[in-house]
Amino acid sequence: GQQVMQIPQYQHVQEGEDFTTYCNSSTTLSNIQWYKQRPGGHPVFLIQLVKSGEVKKQKRLTFQFGEAKKNSSLHITATQTTDVGTYFCAGVVYGQNFVFGPGTRLSVLP
Amino acid sequence: DAGITQSPRHKVTETGTPVTLRCHQTENHRYMYWYRQDPGHGLRLIHYSYGVKDTDKGEVSDGYSVSRSKTEDFLLTLESATSSQTSVYFCAISESGPGSYNEQFFGPGTRLTVL
Repeated sequence: GQQVMQIPQYQHVQEGEDFTTYCNSSTTLSNIQWYKQRPGGHPVFLIQLVKSGEVKKQKRLTFQFGEAKKNSSLHITATQTTDVGTYFCAGVVYGQNFVFGPGTRLSVLP
Repeated sequence: DAGITQSPRHKVTETGTPVTLRCHQTENHRYMYWYRQDPGHGLRLIHYSYGVKDTDKGEVSDGYSVSRSKTEDFLLTLESATSSQTSVYFCAISESGPGSYNEQFFGPGTRLTVL
């Protein structure tokens, strides 16, 4: 079945440093979503990417969808302590449900 | 936050007992989902519903059943709980299904411990 992997599993950064998490699917995706989960909280939707090569920005966050629609990345510029949490990608193959990656847990040291 | 509540929020039960978790929404969204979250696995889909009385299995449905008799309520039942079902359970809703723009809104979660 479809598998979605994320790397790294954990990332510790100093406040102000950049952060990137990568998401890779075993199959071509029709779209991909990114979610953020704060410690003790529930996942919150960040963005959806649909088009091959698509790039979207939200303030300090940049999301990319690969040309082959099998991988995606989330880049945070100049991290802040409010960025702490686990970032999940969720990919969908056409006609099927979302499959979530295992997540990347980000720690930001002040 | 979207109007989604889950009950109970915490539950401790013993192996072999039945358990029912409830998800209630006030958004009138068509799709409802049950996920379980375990360390290293992210969120895994248990069952989902695409309308009243319309449900289907997800990737980890063994040992679980669901029912949806009203748009706003989606119940998850563990017929005979096992220790491997100790997890955090999240309910989610969306207006449309996969393949379209379907932001999922998640409930606060239920922490279930099976002793």
